[in-house]
Amino acid sequence: QKEVEQNSGPLSVPEGAIASLNCTYSDRGSQSFFWYRQYSGKSPELIMFIYSNGDKEDGRFTAQLNKASQYVSLLIRDSQPSDSATYLCAVGQNTGNQFYFGTGTSLTVIP
Amino acid sequence: DGGITQSPKYLFRKEGQNVTLSCEQNLNHDAMYWYRQDPGQGLRLIYYSQIVNDFQKGDIAEGYSVSREKKESFPLTVTSAQKNPTAFYLCASTPSGRAFDSYEQYFGPGTRLTVT
Repeated sequence: QKEVEQNSGPLSVPEGAIASLNCTYSDRGSQSFFWYRQYSGKSPELIMFIYSNGDKEDGRFTAQLNKASQYVSLLIRDSQPSDSATYLCAVGQNTGNQFYFGTGTSLTVIP
Repeated sequence: DGGITQSPKYLFRKEGQNVTLSCEQNLNHDAMYWYRQDPGQGLRLIYYSQIVNDFQKGDIAEGYSVSREKKESFPLTVTSAQKNPTAFYLCASTPSGRAFDSYEQYFGPGTRLTVT
């Protein structure tokens, strides 16, 4: 069983602060890593993807990958109330083109 | 506009009835997937298809069936054998169905099925 673990939260941060979301995975053969945002009752929306070790920045979002530690994180700078959602970590395998999802971290940004 | 459509958005059925959920994409994606999401849970893979006329079971395929007769369509049937069918069902697709390719998944809006 390929596992993807996330803290379920809830994580609360004040508006303007940095929110840090973490994810670990069990399969060392994992090749691709994704962060999705899911608002209540809606489908997941892709925010970031990362394939190589290091940081990848896109606007207020930074994804960090450390394959040696089997760890991927998402930083949200200048958090806004509209960032309040559940964030899903997904891990892709290089065989069979399958994806494995964590249970998600609930984030609340307090105005 | 390119995208993935799922219909209907809400679906109600009586226990013991089979029901088919529609998923259509016009993104020209090769691979398509069906997931189930229960409250407070992550996504669990039901079935996936990497190419037309071929599909594989995911982690929770029991009680479900699929077909992939056309590249753009991947309907899911929830049969009466599925013990707890009430859930949020999500269809997704990726550009490539080939192994060793890594592409992000795009999701449809979902169908919320309630069985009573």
